[in-house]
Amino acid sequence: QVQLVQSGAEVKKPGSSVKVSCKASGGTFSSYAISWVRQAPGQGLEWMGGIIPMFGTANYAQKFQGRVTITTDESTSTAYTELSSLRSEDTAVYYCARARHLRLPEGHDAFDIWGQGTMVTVSS
Amino acid sequence: EIVLTQSPGTLSLSPGERATLSCRASQSVSSSYLAWYQQKLGQAPRLLIYGASSRATGIPDRFSGSGSGTDFTLTISRLEPEDFAVYYCQQYGSSLTFGGGTKVEIK
Repeated sequence: QVQLVQSGAEVKKPGSSVKVSCKASGGTFSSYAISWVRQAPGQGLEWMGGIIPMFGTANYAQKFQGRVTITTDESTSTAYTELSSLRSEDTAVYYCARARHLRLPEGHDAFDIWGQGTMVTVSS
Repeated sequence: EIVLTQSPGTLSLSPGERATLSCRASQSVSSSYLAWYQQKLGQAPRLLIYGASSRATGIPDRFSGSGSGTDFTLTISRLEPEDFAVYYCQQYGSSLTFGGGTKVEIK
């Protein structure tokens, strides 16, 4: 059974960048889309973008275009999300999640496997 | 962007009662690409329903999903103590968006 294990909590200054990792173990990595979803304290879920590792092309929610970069390293079965120009409103738990089925062209599907979440705090 | 509106915001019920949660889309969700998730405090979301009505692996049959087009429903036939949580709908037919959530709390 595939598991997604994320990197640890981060504290960042406003204006800086953060890069969170998500390592897959126990199954196939390249042929399933991986997305990033964030959740601000006490708020709902917000999709940021996703990528299909075997193709390497990411797609992003309009809100995050130009500020987020999603990449993968197939050699280590790891996905990354990097968010730049951080502000206090970016304080949230960031989750990676795997789509249950590869539905082309962008790989969007329901998420059947989730990482444990990474808390990112933006504070001066 | 398809906006999903969930109602009610909070549902106060007792164990054993039936819960009916609504998710309305601002435009038609193609091919019923609609999912439901359960989230408990401090945990990642858990997939319950995909394709509007198909239960995910290991999900008890007291959870059921229905609907098409712009109106979708999650029904929990008899609430168990572990079902009190927040529930989100998600559409993945046109990009990907989540609803704002419905909290099911103990009355």
